[in-house]
Amino acid sequence: DAGVIQSPRHEVTEMGQEVTLRCKPISGHDYLFWYRQTMMRGLELLIYFNNNVPIDDSGMPEDRFSAKMPNASFSTLKIQPSEPRDSAVYFCASSFVRWGSPLHFGNGTRLTVT
Amino acid sequence: GQQLNQSPQSMFIQEGEDVSMNCTSSSIFNTWLWYKQEPGEGPVLLIALYKAGELTSNGRLTAQFGITRKDSFLNISASIPSDVGIYFCAGQPNTNAGKSTFGDGTTLTVKP
Repeated sequence: DAGVIQSPRHEVTEMGQEVTLRCKPISGHDYLFWYRQTMMRGLELLIYFNNNVPIDDSGMPEDRFSAKMPNASFSTLKIQPSEPRDSAVYFCASSFVRWGSPLHFGNGTRLTVT
Repeated sequence: GQQLNQSPQSMFIQEGEDVSMNCTSSSIFNTWLWYKQEPGEGPVLLIALYKAGELTSNGRLTAQFGITRKDSFLNISASIPSDVGIYFCAGQPNTNAGKSTFGDGTTLTVKP
C-alpha cells in the first residue's frame, strides 16, 4: 500500500499564475477529499468526491478554485489565477465509503504564492 | 455547520508527564477519530471510537467516546520526545460516512 500520493511536495509561484495540485488516492477507496491547512484557519475541507463524482464543494473559497476527478486513481485541484492568500498546505485524503472509515492523508503540497 | 472545540490549543510538558486533551461539539457524532500530524506530513490516525462510552487504548494512548456523543478525550501517558506533533480530533456524523469535522488541533511540545 503506497498510501495517498500528492505532487508536487512544494510549489512556489507568482501571483496570477495557474497552479495545479495532483493526488493519487489509495486504490479501492471510494471517497477523495481536498483539505487546506493554514495557521489561521486550521484544516478546512474544500471539496470531496464519492466514486469520482463531486458531492460537496461548499468549502471551495471562490471560483478561482476548481477540482476534478477524471477517474478513480487521479484528482487535481487547480487555482487560476493564484493569489498570495492561497498560500497554504493542501492535503488530499481518501477513505472507504463505509460508516466510520478514517481518512488516509497524503503528505501535502506546500504552496507559496508570491 | 458542525464545529468542534478542541483544547488546549497547545501544551508544553516535560518528558515523562501525562497529557490530556479533549474535544467538545454542539452536535452528536457517531464516530470520533484522533489523528497525529508530524512536521511535513499529513495527519495519521491514532485511535477510532465507534460507540458511546467506548474506551480504547493504543499503547500509551487512551481515548474515550463521551456518553453524550458530543465529546471525546485523548490521554497520553509517560510522554516521550517523539510524541511531539499536532493532535486533531475529528467527528463523523451518521448521515455522511467519511465526511469528518476536524478540531483546530492541540500542539504538543515535549521537553527532554
